Amino acid sequence: KQEVTQIPAALSVPEGENLVLNCSFTDSAIYNLQWFRQDPGKGLTSLLLIQSSQREQTSGRLNASLDKSSGRSTLYIAASQPGDSATYLCAVDDYKLSFGAGTTVTVRA
Amino acid sequence: DAGITQSPRHKVTETGTPVTLRCHQTENHRYMYWYRQDPGHGLRLIHYSYGVKDTDKGEVSDGYSVSRSKTEDFLLTLESATSSQTSVYFCAISGGTSGGVGTDTQYFGPGTRLTVL
Repeated sequence: KQEVTQIPAALSVPEGENLVLNCSFTDSAIYNLQWFRQDPGKGLTSLLLIQSSQREQTSGRLNASLDKSSGRSTLYIAASQPGDSATYLCAVDDYKLSFGAGTTVTVRA
Repeated sequence: DAGITQSPRHKVTETGTPVTLRCHQTENHRYMYWYRQDPGHGLRLIHYSYGVKDTDKGEVSDGYSVSRSKTEDFLLTLESATSSQTSVYFCAISGGTSGGVGTDTQYFGPGTRLTVL
């Protein structure tokens, strides 16, 4: 069974600092890995999808890397802003999505 | 934003009563999913559909059934609600253009908060 772990569970940084969020998974036979953002009381918003054949994916200030062999992905958010405060979830697709518990980020103004 | 709506958005019911949650999409996506989100467990897949009248079980399907009679609608039914089914339920869709379940970005609805007393 796929196990997805996100460390740390919570993170607080001052505005402008770069964010580094980690995701690890136990089974490397995956189709893709997805990063989502969830605001309190809301649904999930897709941020990035990395196909298994890719090493990284970028969108604006967001960059996600994937190392399938070691079962790791990292989401980098450059120059954080208070509006980046949310819970970030990674999900591994090995025919179905398995989610990590998320990292709750607070960016202090 | 992907056109996904869920109804109702909030519901309080009593143990033993049947409950149906509805997910409606306007994107004509092939795949639809129901998840539940609970503190300490994260998001877990309940059931999914890969086409009209084609459904399959997910990780936590016991006590739930689903139906999909039209591309745009996916219903989740709790035949006899229990307190352990108190949760936030999310519907998601994906196009499945790469082939196979979940090989494309999934788009989520706003969620339904269900409380079973």
